[in-house]
Amino acid sequence: DGGITQSPKYLFRKEGQNVTLSCEQNLNHDAMYWYRQDPGQGLRLIYYSQIVNDFQKGDIAEGYSVSREKKESFPLTVTSAQKNPTAFYLCASSISGTGANEQYFGPGTRLTVT
Amino acid sequence: GQQVMQIPQYQHVQEGEDFTTYCNSSTTLSNIQWYKQRPGGHPVFLIQLVKSGEVKKQKRLTFQFGEAKKNSSLHITATQTTDVGTYFCAGPDNFNKFYFGSGTKLNVKP
Repeated sequence: DGGITQSPKYLFRKEGQNVTLSCEQNLNHDAMYWYRQDPGQGLRLIYYSQIVNDFQKGDIAEGYSVSREKKESFPLTVTSAQKNPTAFYLCASSISGTGANEQYFGPGTRLTVT
Repeated sequence: GQQVMQIPQYQHVQEGEDFTTYCNSSTTLSNIQWYKQRPGGHPVFLIQLVKSGEVKKQKRLTFQFGEAKKNSSLHITATQTTDVGTYFCAGPDNFNKFYFGSGTKLNVKP
């Protein structure tokens, strides 16, 4: 089965802890993306990567970090510096990072920080 | 930075009524994509428009891309309860950074 997976589906953390969200794809896509969605809101781009070992900041990168050491993996770390980390986090991938191709989304991770 | 706005934010319709959502970008887009997100789910790609003035149809859904490639619309004819969800437009800027619209949440009453 080809697709994009995120784990876990639900994640609970205490304030002040860093947490890493997993995103894996076996679609052989070059580009991967992380979005944040707050209740009733649209998707805001956190980070994106057009190729292995390279990534760029999106509109709300502060308090987040990523790595792209392998083509199929793009983990997102939510650091304690992120002021309001509770949200729905969506990972996506596309064939290329040119914006010319559709994005495939994972099922998402709902992070709650108390 | 680039902004992609959608109106309306919410739309409640009776089953069988038509529905339209409008998408406006502050800059020209090389293409526009539409996604649907069901309640509790993740966005799923519907269609992509590339050419100025392009119109595409998928059964009861009609998508248009404006002549200036800065706006787009999605029209659903005779809505059904299966159409419930949030519809997003999206497109890349000149640096291949992707922007999603604010979304229109559609509720269909049976």
